[in-house]
Amino acid sequence: DVKVTQSSRYLVKRTGEKVFLECVQDMDHENMFWYRQDPGLGLRLIYFSYDVKMKEKGDIPEGYSVSREKKERFSLILESASTNQTSMYLCASSFDANTIYFGEGSWLTVV
Amino acid sequence: AQSVTQPDIHITVSEGASLELRCNYSYGATPYLFWYVQSPGQGLQLLLKYFSGDTLVQGIKGFEAEFKRSQSSFNLRKPSVHWSDAAEYFCAVRGGLTGGGNKLTFGTGTQLKVEL
Repeated sequence: DVKVTQSSRYLVKRTGEKVFLECVQDMDHENMFWYRQDPGLGLRLIYFSYDVKMKEKGDIPEGYSVSREKKERFSLILESASTNQTSMYLCASSFDANTIYFGEGSWLTVV
Repeated sequence: AQSVTQPDIHITVSEGASLELRCNYSYGATPYLFWYVQSPGQGLQLLLKYFSGDTLVQGIKGFEAEFKRSQSSFNLRKPSVHWSDAAEYFCAVRGGLTGGGNKLTFGTGTQLKVEL
């Protein structure tokens, strides 16, 4: 089974802190994604990566950055967390365009 | 740009009743369409997908969906709902292959409640 692991399920951070959300996949997938999920808004794409050290902005990249130094790991970075970034963050990976596998999500609260 | 509309935010059905969740898409070319389910506190699980061919696709857990190009719809159905089907359901359309990657555009979701 494909496994996408988000190491932190629940985080509470203070405004202005730098936050790292880590995601690891075990299937050698080229493509990895970070989505943000909010009630009534569905899932919105923040960033995606189609190869090591490659990244592309999604629909809502402002306030976020990403890092992909190794194929299996894709990190989402909040340089200076703000309360409007309180949300659930979902990581995903895929080999081709047909099937995307999701992690269980990271609940971030910024106070 | 592609988009997806799920017009029903909440739906309540009785256990054993039939279910239909609506999804309308907007995409310039032949769409690649998906339905995902999310149980509380969990990630998303793929129920089924449509790429081409037979417009009625079967998925896991007894779900099916029908692609209707003339109506730009991809509605999800189940003939008899079980209490364990209570979850949030997302319709998605696959966008272009920008930069060699691929990404999904999701609808806002439909929350399904099942009454016993």
